[in-house]
Amino acid sequence: QFVLTQPPSVSGAPGQGVTISCTGGSSNIGAGYDVHWYQQLPGTAPKFLIHGNNNRPSGVPDRFSASRSGASASLAITGLQAEDEADYFCQSYDRSLSGWVFGGGTKLTVL
Amino acid sequence: EVQLVESGGGLHQPGGSLRLSCAASGFIFSSYELTWVRQAPGRGLEWVSYISSSGSTEYYRDSVKGRFTISRDDAKNSLYLQMNSLRADDTALYYCARVGRGDNYFDYWGQGVLVTVSS
Repeated sequence: QFVLTQPPSVSGAPGQGVTISCTGGSSNIGAGYDVHWYQQLPGTAPKFLIHGNNNRPSGVPDRFSASRSGASASLAITGLQAEDEADYFCQSYDRSLSGWVFGGGTKLTVL
Repeated sequence: EVQLVESGGGLHQPGGSLRLSCAASGFIFSSYELTWVRQAPGRGLEWVSYISSSGSTEYYRDSVKGRFTISRDDAKNSLYLQMNSLRADDTALYYCARVGRGDNYFDYWGQGVLVTVSS
């Protein structure tokens, strides 16, 4: 139902790392549109995390990094901390839909 | 500090209308593109509508075309979403968000306003 596909959940122990994938198609990520990432802590609004090729706003630690290859992208989080437990969403632009598209979100659980 | 504060939500009947407002502060409002994004309870994010900095360009997702209208009042630093012919599947938390410079991302979000469509 969501144009961009993310795994529903990922988990990792404190200190470990996880990767969240985001798969699109030829009209969005595959067409060259950048992928952006958001973090949504429970009960709060989404927070902008990374835009484009690993551009983090001030205040976002470098434990968060992003990459893109072909029609897919990924968010890597290293050195997991309890405060990282949240939902993560990828987002891009789709030229066929002439609009912005999101992934369904991935719930990160820190074990 | 950039702030976006939504208002105007509530419980509405199918077929009804309402207008959401988003009051902005902490940045030069007229210089930025803006958007509305919604999130149904327990679901993911869904882009709804976009307006250019000049107000001359608007985009909508297919499911709201012809029913929703986005607008802005730069004198009041405010963004609006007029929602008509409401449907049950419009039930969601509606966020206004600022479009970041130079790319299609949303760098600041409001806290959201809940719209419930039910008889």
